[in-house]
Amino acid sequence: DSGVTQTPKHLITATGQRVTLRCSPRSGDLSVYWYQQSLDQGLQFLIQYYNGEERAKGNILERFSAQQFPDLHSELNLSSLELGDSALYFCASSVDPSTGKNTEAFFGQGTRLTVV
Amino acid sequence: DAKTTQPPSMDCAEGRAANLPCNHSTISGNEYVYWYRQIHSQGPQYIIHGLKNNETNEMASLIITEDRKSSTLILPHATLRDTAVYYCIVTSYDKVIFGPGTSLSVIP
Repeated sequence: DSGVTQTPKHLITATGQRVTLRCSPRSGDLSVYWYQQSLDQGLQFLIQYYNGEERAKGNILERFSAQQFPDLHSELNLSSLELGDSALYFCASSVDPSTGKNTEAFFGQGTRLTVV
Repeated sequence: DAKTTQPPSMDCAEGRAANLPCNHSTISGNEYVYWYRQIHSQGPQYIIHGLKNNETNEMASLIITEDRKSSTLILPHATLRDTAVYYCIVTSYDKVIFGPGTSLSVIP
């Protein structure tokens, strides 16, 4: 158990709909990362938040948005869903990267999104 | 884009050492080398990381060349449960970018 909790584990929805994926980071971790992994594909970095602020952005579509709340949990919002958005979505968390101490990221078990 | 190059696949006999190479010729002075693995569709799992010295933990050893342009992850006694995709990442902890990784198959 990594200590990172993602909900829901599975989600099936129709094209055009909107969904919200939730991530609770490990206790004390300030950074949250979101990744998308399509079938048999690599992990695509979407976005990183640090203590509520956007820190880095990857290949995140305009239809997708994320935020990190004061209690440090994060949500990834996916709208106008398309069949191609079907994928595993992973969240990871790590401790404060600005302390100068590099530490590992802990990953949740992912949310499997199926768009039909 | 990922800053690392890894072979797409490797095989290793069960019980033997698995040596997974990684090239990172453009690594910056403040960037660390991290290794993760992903078993089937589970969340990636941290293995080990280092800056310039060799590192060892209960899972693996990490050998980084003196010029830091490449590294090798060593699983000393591979088991069937080590079959996974192994990712080598260089990062100062912004934008943690995964490449395609190496698919390691441990063969009985």
